[in-house]
Amino acid sequence: KQEVTQIPAALSVPEGENLVLNCSFTDSAIYNLQWFRQDPGKGLTSLLLIQSSQREQTSGRLNASLDKSSGRSTLYIAASQPGDSATYLCAVISSNTGKLIFGQGTTLQVKP
Amino acid sequence: AAGVIQSPRHLIKEKRETATLKCYPIPRHDTVYWYQQGPGQDPQFLISFYEKMQSDKGSIPDRFSAQQFSDYHSELNMSSLELGDSALYFCASSLGQGWSKDTQYFGPGTRLTVL
Repeated sequence: KQEVTQIPAALSVPEGENLVLNCSFTDSAIYNLQWFRQDPGKGLTSLLLIQSSQREQTSGRLNASLDKSSGRSTLYIAASQPGDSATYLCAVISSNTGKLIFGQGTTLQVKP
Repeated sequence: AAGVIQSPRHLIKEKRETATLKCYPIPRHDTVYWYQQGPGQDPQFLISFYEKMQSDKGSIPDRFSAQQFSDYHSELNMSSLELGDSALYFCASSLGQGWSKDTQYFGPGTRLTVL
């Protein structure tokens, strides 16, 4: 059974810092991995999608890497801003039906 | 660009009542997923449909049922509501399933409160 774990559960940093969020999964047989952002009480916004054959994806100040063999992904946020404050969720698809298995999320607070 | 539409956005029900949540996928998307997110929890997969047929089932109570219609919209029917059903319910759509490697696009969610 696929399990996804995110570390740390919460993170507080001063504005401008670069930071790394970690995600690990137990079954390396995945189709892809997605990183989402969720603001309190709001919906899920897809940030980055990494296919199983890819090693990384970049979008603006965000960079996500994938090491499928070790069951790990990292989300790197450069030059953090207060507007980055949110919960970041990692999710994998390891079934051909496409259901997402989510981690518990990392709640990020960027202080001005 | 059109997004996933969910209705209603908020719903308040009493225990033992029935609720129906609706999801309208992005045009041309043939796959719909339902997820439940309890307070402080990560989203949990409930059920999915591909081309109007149920394709996968997760931890969905027997009190819940769902279907996908000919226009690809989906409805989640919840009966005998319990306090523990209070949650944010998300619908997501994609073109194809996991094998298609397409992104799932999420709707804004329906917040269900059971009193």
